[in-house]
Amino acid sequence: GAVVSQHPSWVICKSGTSVKIECRSLDFQATTMFWYRQFPKQSLMLMATSNEGSKATYEQGVEKDKFLINHASLTLSTLTVTSAHPEDSSFYICSAPEGGRNEQYFGPGTRLTVT
Amino acid sequence: GQNIDQPTEMTATEGAIVQINCTYQTSGFNGLFWYQQHAGEAPTFLSYNVLDGLEEKGRFSSFLSRSKGYSYLLLKELQMKDSASYLCAALDSNYQLIWGAGTKLIIKP
Repeated sequence: GAVVSQHPSWVICKSGTSVKIECRSLDFQATTMFWYRQFPKQSLMLMATSNEGSKATYEQGVEKDKFLINHASLTLSTLTVTSAHPEDSSFYICSAPEGGRNEQYFGPGTRLTVT
Repeated sequence: GQNIDQPTEMTATEGAIVQINCTYQTSGFNGLFWYQQHAGEAPTFLSYNVLDGLEEKGRFSSFLSRSKGYSYLLLKELQMKDSASYLCAALDSNYQLIWGAGTKLIIKP
């Protein structure tokens, strides 16, 4: 299957700082990537859809100025959590569909802890 | 509205068979996915059904009935490593995945 990577795997930052998370499709091109957040013992929550070469589409209730998404190439999307607060601590996961297929392949996730 | 229902938790015995059910209501339908997620890890793809019927893949099988808005994941010859959460997700008319809350499967020796 297709491979999606994420970096970093985990990060600890201080409140008020910004953190950038990268999502890469390693062996395929992805015009669309999805960013999810998952709190402990809860299901995945779609935050936004990242579109290569255009603006991301954010889900209702997700602040686009706080969660900046850039999809600058067909293999890379980045999520920047700006002015992070402890309540932003979560597991952030990206996914991408391969080519014309419907199934999404997930990155390994990034665990963010804001102190 | 759009909704996915699946049991919160199930328990089964090593070597046995377990069936995890999922019902869905979506705006349009373009297929039903099952993913496995171990604690602290990202989901991994298990199966995709878009036509009615049973698809078998090794110890795992997935069934879909579009008319009933129903799917199940069948796990045979359970192993301890199958302890995980199993996520059901339906693809709606906009090709957006609608996720269930997941079923935590506990395997006992």
